[in-house]
Amino acid sequence: GNSVTQMEGPVTLSEEAFLTINCTYTATGYPSLFWYVQYPGEGLQLLLKATKADDKGSNKGFEATYRKETTSFHLEKGSVQVSDSAVYFCALMRSGGSNYKLTFGKGTLLTVNP
Amino acid sequence: NAGVTQTPKFQVLKTGQSMTLQCAQDMNHEYMSWYRQDPGMGLRLIHYSVGAGITDQGEVPNGYNVSRSTTEDFPLRLLSAAPSQTSVYFCASTNTDPTGGTEAFFGQGTRLTVV
Repeated sequence: GNSVTQMEGPVTLSEEAFLTINCTYTATGYPSLFWYVQYPGEGLQLLLKATKADDKGSNKGFEATYRKETTSFHLEKGSVQVSDSAVYFCALMRSGGSNYKLTFGKGTLLTVNP
Repeated sequence: NAGVTQTPKFQVLKTGQSMTLQCAQDMNHEYMSWYRQDPGMGLRLIHYSVGAGITDQGEVPNGYNVSRSTTEDFPLRLLSAAPSQTSVYFCASTNTDPTGGTEAFFGQGTRLTVV
């Protein structure tokens, strides 16, 4: 079946540090890949997505590239801010059919200190 | 610009009680789903619906019931609450765009404690 494995953390960084959160997946076919962010006390918000191999998703300074050869979708940001402190979830959605189920990783808690 | 609205935000139940978590969306999406979030486990699918009158089970359906009488509403019922159902519940509404714009929109969540 489908699965997502992401770096569990927690990850603690200083402001302006470089961020990488690793995410690898197992899936049949050609899934779409997502990063969701959950700020404290809130629901999940879509951060970025990619729907096919070599696509790069980007938003708010975050980037992730769909690498089919390594089945990866690592999240990166060049310079984190205190406001980026949140839980980040990698997820996949298998294409085709009528079930748009998201399969999530376990989440990575990021804390950015001033 | 409501999106997905969940109520209540917090709830405490006694073991054996029943309750309904409400979810409503105003985006005219056919596909809706319920997830539970537990520490260290990510989100797991409970039930989903591909349109009014059609529902199906996800990974962890036991102890939960759903119905979909309208496109807008997708309530989740706990039949007889158990401590193992203590969790944060999220409702999602998905824009199923075949051209690649598929995106799930989540509600703010319901934090449920069963004592």
